[in-house]
Amino acid sequence: DVKVTQSSRYLVKRTGEKVFLECVQDMDHENMFWYRQDPGLGLRLIYFSYDVKMKEKGDIPEGYSVSREKKERFSLILESASTNQTSMYLCATTSGGVEETQYFGPGTRLLVL
Amino acid sequence: KQEVTQIPAALSVPEGENLVLNCSFTDSAIYNLQWFRQDPGKGLTSLLLIQSSQREQTSGRLNASLDKSSGRSTLYIAASQPGDSATYLCAVGTDSNYQLIWGAGTKLIIKP
Repeated sequence: DVKVTQSSRYLVKRTGEKVFLECVQDMDHENMFWYRQDPGLGLRLIYFSYDVKMKEKGDIPEGYSVSREKKERFSLILESASTNQTSMYLCATTSGGVEETQYFGPGTRLLVL
Repeated sequence: KQEVTQIPAALSVPEGENLVLNCSFTDSAIYNLQWFRQDPGKGLTSLLLIQSSQREQTSGRLNASLDKSSGRSTLYIAASQPGDSATYLCAVGTDSNYQLIWGAGTKLIIKP
């Protein structure tokens, strides 16, 4: 079974702090994704990575950056957290493109005060 | 631009009933469609994936259908159980390599 873990389940940060969210997968998948999920809006793609050190912007990359130094690890960075970044953050992985299903981590609920 | 809609946003039914969840999309040129389940405060679990050339997929008490021409998919749940209570999301794969377009989900409550 694919296992996707996220570094924190719940996180409380203050406005202006730099925030790191980490995702680790154990299935040697090429592709990793960061989404945010807000009530009534579904999942919105922030960034994805199709290889080590490779990244592509999703629909809402503003205010975020990512890092993929190793194949199994994909980090989401909030350079200067703001209250409108309070959300549920979900990491996902897949071995292929859209023809393959995505496997999700448990999510990190981030509150920015 | 592809848009995916799930109506209703919430649904409550008594245990044992058969039910249908709906997913509609605006552009019929899709690669596939997936249904996921999300338990409260948790990540998503894939339920069924239907390729664009397929009409339906089945897994246990779940059956998903796809009608590209009308821009619709349905998830049929037979003999519902309280353990089926969750939010169900559909996602459409477009011809871009990686990106899925997501519906907002239907929150399902099965009353014992």
